[in-house]
Amino acid sequence: GAGVSQTPSNKVTEKGKYVELRCDPISGHTALYWYRQSLGQGPEFLIYFQGTGAADDSGLPNDRFFAVRPEGSVSTLKIQRTERGDSAVYLCASSLNFGQPQHFGDGTRLSIL
Amino acid sequence: GQQLNQSPQSMFIQEGEDVSMNCTSSSIFNTWLWYKQDPGEGPVLLIALYKAGELTSNGRLTAQFGITRKDSFLNISASIPSDVGIYFCAGRNYGGSQGNLIFGKGTKLSVKP
Repeated sequence: GAGVSQTPSNKVTEKGKYVELRCDPISGHTALYWYRQSLGQGPEFLIYFQGTGAADDSGLPNDRFFAVRPEGSVSTLKIQRTERGDSAVYLCASSLNFGQPQHFGDGTRLSIL
Repeated sequence: GQQLNQSPQSMFIQEGEDVSMNCTSSSIFNTWLWYKQDPGEGPVLLIALYKAGELTSNGRLTAQFGITRKDSFLNISASIPSDVGIYFCAGRNYGGSQGNLIFGKGTKLSVKP
């Protein structure tokens, strides 16, 4: 499809496990962003990439969270030693260039039991 | 994390009514965006504003970038049932990372019983 694609759409796992969430941005978009949305809240910024490099990771809550974008297209958000408080919808967005409007995927709903 | 003040939190609409919602910030923004989010989906961009005082329309939607750069409003004219959903304002700070979009908590539009 033409939009931002995120997989899986839902992920349920046990506390302490490792998870990977994938984002396929819109083709040709150089900037990619990760957000976390808790119930009843707006999305909160985690990290963004310009090309392959993480230009701003100031929103990552702690060192259990890490993201990569090795070829400047697909990105993976990785969470180690998951905790129940990590449960949320993780949204990915992309934009054509730095600073232009961001277009979102439908998110991955992560539930930590 | 930091969030914008968005109001009202929720409102009920009757078909044909005009709707208004707004967002305020304690700091200056250089970009305002308005998104709509339906259940189980990612936010969809409605309107983007880049200059203080700018007034932009998208069909029945009109948004303005406040001249103080600390607020924005969204109006929906002649509402229809498919307007129900959650509307988010989002802004980007002067001096902040270009990737760091800050979201309000949303205004939930529902149909009047």
